[in-house]
Amino acid sequence: DVKVTQSSRYLVKRTGEKVFLECVQDMDHENMFWYRQDPGLGLRLIYFSYDVKMKEKGDIPEGYSVSREKKERFSLILESASTNQTSMYLCASSAPSRFSTDTQYFGPGTRLTVL
Amino acid sequence: DQQVKQNSPSLSVQEGRISILNCDYTNSMFDYFLWYKKYPAEGPTFLISISSIKDKNEDGRFTVFLNKSAKHLSLHIVPSQPGDSAVYFCAASGDGTSYGKLTFGQGTILTVHP
Repeated sequence: DVKVTQSSRYLVKRTGEKVFLECVQDMDHENMFWYRQDPGLGLRLIYFSYDVKMKEKGDIPEGYSVSREKKERFSLILESASTNQTSMYLCASSAPSRFSTDTQYFGPGTRLTVL
Repeated sequence: DQQVKQNSPSLSVQEGRISILNCDYTNSMFDYFLWYKKYPAEGPTFLISISSIKDKNEDGRFTVFLNKSAKHLSLHIVPSQPGDSAVYFCAASGDGTSYGKLTFGQGTILTVHP
């Protein structure tokens, strides 16, 4: 059974703190993604990675960085958390396909609140 | 620039009736479309997909229709059940890479009343 896990379901941090969100997948997928979900805005891609140590910016990378040291693990880092980064963060993974037909599998999400 | 749009933020339907969720896109490079369903406090789960070479795909109570000329797709749920109440996202892919990037719409909240 496909599994993507995220380190925390709920997280409360203070403005200016450095925040780490961890994601692990057990499907041996090459592609991993970080999204944030906000009401009325849908899912917006922050960063993605197509291989170990490789990363690409998504649509809203400002204020975030990522790390992929192992194939199964993809970390999202908020260097200095701000209140506008309060959101639901979703991690996903997929296998590579030249036909772009591979489904992304999502973790349960981390609800981050920045005070 | 919203390349995938779901213009109805919410939809309310009676149990047993048909639910129709709509999605429009602007990028003609998109060649694969997916629908995801999301319950509160859970991650999205894949529901059904369609390739641009087809105009219809069916899976049980769920059918997705694609009208390429209108750049429009729709998800039909027949019959609707209270357990279908969730947020539905449409997504599109096809940037020519193998990275499988998806562009999502804003989501439509479906409520099915008993």
